[in-house]
Amino acid sequence: AQTVTQSQPEMSVQEAETVTLSCTYDTSESNYYLFWYKQPPSRQMILVIRQEAYKQQNATENRFSVNFQKAAKSFSLKISDSQLGDTAMYFCAFMTYNAGNMLTFGGGTRLMVKP
Amino acid sequence: GAVVSQHPSRVICKSGTSVKIECRSLDFQATTMFWYRQFPKQSLMLMATSNEGSKATYEQGVEKDKFLINHASLTLSTLTVTSAHPEDSSFYICSARAPSTPGTGELFFGEGSRLTVL
Repeated sequence: AQTVTQSQPEMSVQEAETVTLSCTYDTSESNYYLFWYKQPPSRQMILVIRQEAYKQQNATENRFSVNFQKAAKSFSLKISDSQLGDTAMYFCAFMTYNAGNMLTFGGGTRLMVKP
Repeated sequence: GAVVSQHPSRVICKSGTSVKIECRSLDFQATTMFWYRQFPKQSLMLMATSNEGSKATYEQGVEKDKFLINHASLTLSTLTVTSAHPEDSSFYICSARAPSTPGTGELFFGEGSRLTVL
């Protein structure tokens, strides 16, 4: 069974600064996807960024980037130039290729961006 | 991107009654949908996998007789909470994979439905 761990229940960052959210996972699979989802106060889950395990290059999406360390089973999210709209719960999630698209979520990190 | 819609977004019911929540894929066909439950300030917990035209697959510990799932068409899955009790109060979220994004693993989520049982 896969597990996803987010060790930071809450974090805060000043607007325009950079923050990194941690995520570790445990699996015996070699092919899988990793995701970061954002859940703002509206509760709508929004995909922030996706990484495929076979790709060595770290994924980036504008101000969002990941540090994917496969051997260490670590998948951290870096948010640059933080904006007030980034305030939300962030969930790290894992999916194996043959799991029928079943996601395993971490416990979440509540991020507060302060003006 | 693909759109998944849930209805109702909020529902309040009396203890002992049943409540139905709908999850629709608006612009794509979804052979598989997923139902999650989320308690306040907690993560999403997968309840069941809903398969079009067949029985749902429930996660361990989820009562299939209490949480009835029906996936009668390629665009609609329903979750019925039967004989609801206050402990069933929670936020329920559905998700689906769009055929336009095969191999990406990306799932699209509904807006969620908040159930309050009095």
